[in-house]
This record gives sequence, structure tokens and C-alpha cells, in this order.
Amino acid sequence: DAKTTQPNSMESNEEEPVHLPCNHSTISGTDYIHWYRQLPSQGPEYVIHGLTSNVNNRMASLAIAEDRKSSTLILHRATLRDAAVYYCILRDVGNTGKLIFGQGTTLQVKP
Amino acid sequence: ETGVTQTPRHLVMGMTNKKSLKCEQHLGHNAMYWYKQSAKKPLELMFVYSLEERVENNSVPSRFSPECPNSSHLFLHLHTLQPEDSALYLCASSQDPLASGRAGELFFGEGSRLTVL
Repeated sequence: DAKTTQPNSMESNEEEPVHLPCNHSTISGTDYIHWYRQLPSQGPEYVIHGLTSNVNNRMASLAIAEDRKSSTLILHRATLRDAAVYYCILRDVGNTGKLIFGQGTTLQVKP
Repeated sequence: ETGVTQTPRHLVMGMTNKKSLKCEQHLGHNAMYWYKQSAKKPLELMFVYSLEERVENNSVPSRFSPECPNSSHLFLHLHTLQPEDSALYLCASSQDPLASGRAGELFFGEGSRLTVL
């Protein structure tokens, strides 16, 4: 399974943008880039996913490098409720489509 | 409310007990998953069911036995567990990516917190 590398932790101030990086240099052509987050005492929740083009939804934006070897999750205005562990995951739809979670990035948001 | 419901939310059992965890999804999905999350560790994928057939078993010990009687229900039967099996067990569902050709999102339940004494 192709792997991802993320910083262990990041800090942000409330109402400022946050850029969460992810490296995935061994990504294959059938791997989608998924982002999930896990708030304390909850199961993970889907944030966004993409294949080649940048993506936007109501929660976040996903910027994908042209060579697809890295991506960045962008939270446009962090709130205290965005404090969570953020996981960048490659999902191979050519296989069972399983999601393999890594350690993720723990995001702290300061008021 | 994610549409995936897990029961019980908390379970304490002895090493000789037999218990089951239940997961139910009301989203019309055809793939279901069991994950294990131990303290300070990443989520570990245990089992994947697609169209009610097991398609993935990640070297899980036989004391964990999954069952998927239909596309809406998933069970994890537990017997003769060890204290190191204490963890949060998470169920998820999605549209099957192989069938749909889409890498859609997984919807997770809130988990069942298991303590083995």
C-alpha cells in the first residue's frame, strides 16, 4: 500500500487559515487522496478527496501537486471545533478500496 | 448522526466471555468495515465486506469473528479475548468502490469501547 507522510502536530490561531501538508511520493495512478479527521471521542469523519484536480467543499479545500506526490488540506478559517487529528490517506479503487490510516496530524487551534 | 450505529457503546468482558459487537447502517451502502483503534496507535483495518462477502482479512486472530448477514448489518463476535484487545472498535460503511468505480467516503460509527479484564 502506498504510504503518506504528515507532520505529527501543528498549531493554528482561531479564524486563521490552516495548511496541512501530506507527502505521498509513491502514489499510483489509481490512488485517490482522501482526508479524514477524528475529533476527540468520535469516529473519523470524511473531509474531502480528490484525484488530480484541486477540490473545494463546504469543509475545506484540497490542493494537489501537479505530479501528485504531495497535497495540502486547507481550512480557510480555523475554529476551535476544528481541533482534531487529520489523516491523509491514499485509497486504491483498483483494489478493495480499503483505507489505511497513518498517525495523522494533530491540529491544535488556539483562541 | 452519521447513519452508522454501533452497539454497545461500552463493553467490559472477561477473557473467557463471549460477546458480540453490532453495527447497522441506514445509508444503502454495500461495503462495511471493522477497524480497531488502540491507545496512541493509528486505526487498524481488520475486515472488509463487500456485497456481504469478506474481501479483506488483515491477519486478525481467530478470536475475532466477523459476520455480515446482509448489507445493512455487520457483527464482530468476540471470544477468549486478551487484555491487549482492549480498544475502540469502529465500524464504517461505504459504496463499494469496485462496483461503483468511485472512491466515495466512508461513514464511521462512534465506536464500541471494549475493555477486557
